[in-house]
Amino acid sequence: QIQLVQSGPELKKPGESVKISCKASGYTFTDYAMHWVKQAPGKGLKWMGWINTYTGKPTYADDFKGRFVFSLEASASTANLQISNLKNEDTATYFCARRWPYFDYWGQGVMVTVSS
Amino acid sequence: DVVLTQTPPTLSATIGQSVSISCRSSQSLLDSDGDTYLNWLLQRPGQSPQLLIYSVSNLESGVPNRFSGSGSETDFTLKISGVEAEDLGVYYCMQATHAPLTFGSGTKLEIK
Repeated sequence: QIQLVQSGPELKKPGESVKISCKASGYTFTDYAMHWVKQAPGKGLKWMGWINTYTGKPTYADDFKGRFVFSLEASASTANLQISNLKNEDTATYFCARRWPYFDYWGQGVMVTVSS
Repeated sequence: DVVLTQTPPTLSATIGQSVSISCRSSQSLLDSDGDTYLNWLLQRPGQSPQLLIYSVSNLESGVPNRFSGSGSETDFTLKISGVEAEDLGVYYCMQATHAPLTFGSGTKLEIK
């Protein structure tokens, strides 16, 4: 069955970096783009951008240009999100979701907490 | 950016009651390819979102047929015909026609 399994929760200090992963199984990884979505505590969903899993080319929404990097470990069917120079406002749950325009499968989410 | 306005923000329903959620877009979601990329998602408490309806009115596999979607251009509706206890959570509309993709602010469904 199709699954997107994300890495575990993270607790970081401001200024640090974090890398979270999204491992896909049950389908051909390169067939569908992977998208990233942010959800701050108690808030709604915000699209961060996507990565072409065939070419590796990332596309970022305007609010996520600069400190955010999407990458792949294609041989491991894994998409990664790295956030550098963490700020308090990066505290959120980060979801991966596949297959524009449907978003038919989602990872379970990774809670990233930024606190001094 | 496309703004999706969902109403009502909260909804309280009894089991078996039928309810509707509205999603209005600040611009037409009709794509140049003729499709309209408006989806409905449900996020149950403590869970990730799940796809219910795609392209306005298409029921995702495995989703009960008490859920239905309708609408066109800028005005869309999700209807639940006979709410069940497992339907509680936050419903989001999302559009994938225009970049950046955007989500509505959500409608929280509570069970009386």
